[in-house]
Amino acid sequence: KNEVEQSPQNLTAQEGEFITINCSYSVGISALHWLQQHPGGGIVSLFMLSSGKKKHGRLIATINIQEKHSSLHITASHPRDSAVYICAVRPGEYGNKLVFGAGTILRVKS
Amino acid sequence: EPEVTQTPSHQVTQMGQEVILRCVPISNHLYFYWYRQILGQKVEFLVSFYNNEISEKSEIFDDQFSVERPDGSNFTLKIRSTKLEDSAMYFCASREGLAGGPFTGELFFGEGSRLTVL
Repeated sequence: KNEVEQSPQNLTAQEGEFITINCSYSVGISALHWLQQHPGGGIVSLFMLSSGKKKHGRLIATINIQEKHSSLHITASHPRDSAVYICAVRPGEYGNKLVFGAGTILRVKS
Repeated sequence: EPEVTQTPSHQVTQMGQEVILRCVPISNHLYFYWYRQILGQKVEFLVSFYNNEISEKSEIFDDQFSVERPDGSNFTLKIRSTKLEDSAMYFCASREGLAGGPFTGELFFGEGSRLTVL
């Protein structure tokens, strides 16, 4: 079964804090995506990873393929970072569809 | 920046009615998807579409569902006879490139169409 587990489920942080969201999965994958979902429901892709590390602004995503684990870090968090962050994987060597985690609800207080 | 557009943003329908949700993927993309999210639940894969045919579908995507790319730009999801449990946010997504070779792979989502079945 393709399970994608995220932790924590909910996270409240003070503005400026360093935030880490974790994702573990149980099968071989071709890629892992980090996505952001805003209260209105729209989904934005933040990163697609198949190895190593990527950085975009204050966001950093890492993946360890051997350990089947990925982390999303937010440095110098800001209230506008408040959203649901979702990990999703593409199972298989030539994965096409995404299997989603349940998401982490992040609230950053000023 | 290129974007995936979806219409309508919200549709309310009576049980048993047919619904068509429309999507305009990014113009040079080759793979198209429908996902759905029931309120409070995970996003779920429904169907993928490539080269004018379904490439993969989930168990959810039964005979009540169909997809079409009628004119080379629109990508539609039809639900023939809606049920209460079809109430969800439906997301269209598109991706550039081919699965077996070098490809960008980044997935672009639309803003979603919220379907409410009464």
